Amino acid sequence: ETGVTQSPTHLIKTRGQQVTLRCSSQSGHNTVSWYQQALGQGPQFIFQYYREEENGRGNFPPRFSGLQFPNYSSELNVNALELDDSALYLCASSVGANYGYTFGSGTRLTVV
Amino acid sequence: AQSVTQLDSQVPVFEEAPVELRCNYSSSVSVYLFWYVQYPNQGLQLLLKYLSGSTLVKGINGFEAEFNKSQTSFHLRKPSVHISDTAEYFCAVSSNNAGNMLTFGGGTRLMVKP
Repeated sequence: ETGVTQSPTHLIKTRGQQVTLRCSSQSGHNTVSWYQQALGQGPQFIFQYYREEENGRGNFPPRFSGLQFPNYSSELNVNALELDDSALYLCASSVGANYGYTFGSGTRLTVV
Repeated sequence: AQSVTQLDSQVPVFEEAPVELRCNYSSSVSVYLFWYVQYPNQGLQLLLKYLSGSTLVKGINGFEAEFNKSQTSFHLRKPSVHISDTAEYFCAVSSNNAGNMLTFGGGTRLMVKP
């Protein structure tokens, strides 16, 4: 198993800019989810993709969007960055939700 | 809607002492329950999971948890902790009705003292 790899590890952006975060899932993991973890809090569900289709979304505005690709990689895009978007963004993948999710180490996004 | 409450934000304990981290959940349907550990500047690592069957679940690093449906709890225990267990622990719940998304508690910081 190669695990879940996220890039970049750290990122600093200016308010109003756009950002793309990337995730490479384990081979065969057809479900990928993205979570936002603010400092000192538990992760919050952003959205989930199954076989390249979004099949679940948390309480996040449309400026948070994503893609999942056939090679098990995925992206999280955030437009019009706000200061409150500063957080650790976690990607998680699974062969099926009941098997539990494997998390990446996250991307630390700082918006200034 | 499903939710998770971790009753203790911090738990200090001496090395080699037992520990229990408490987790209560709320859901109107059958749930799957998980405990994850997060070390500083890292992602989440799965400790254990309850999907069905035996209510006592054993995980990695000597941790175990017991699912109690009547009390809607899923407390995490370890009989003897080590300094290396110092980390943030998250309880999470998912269900088929919620699209299998994970809902996390706020976390419990376990601080093991020598």
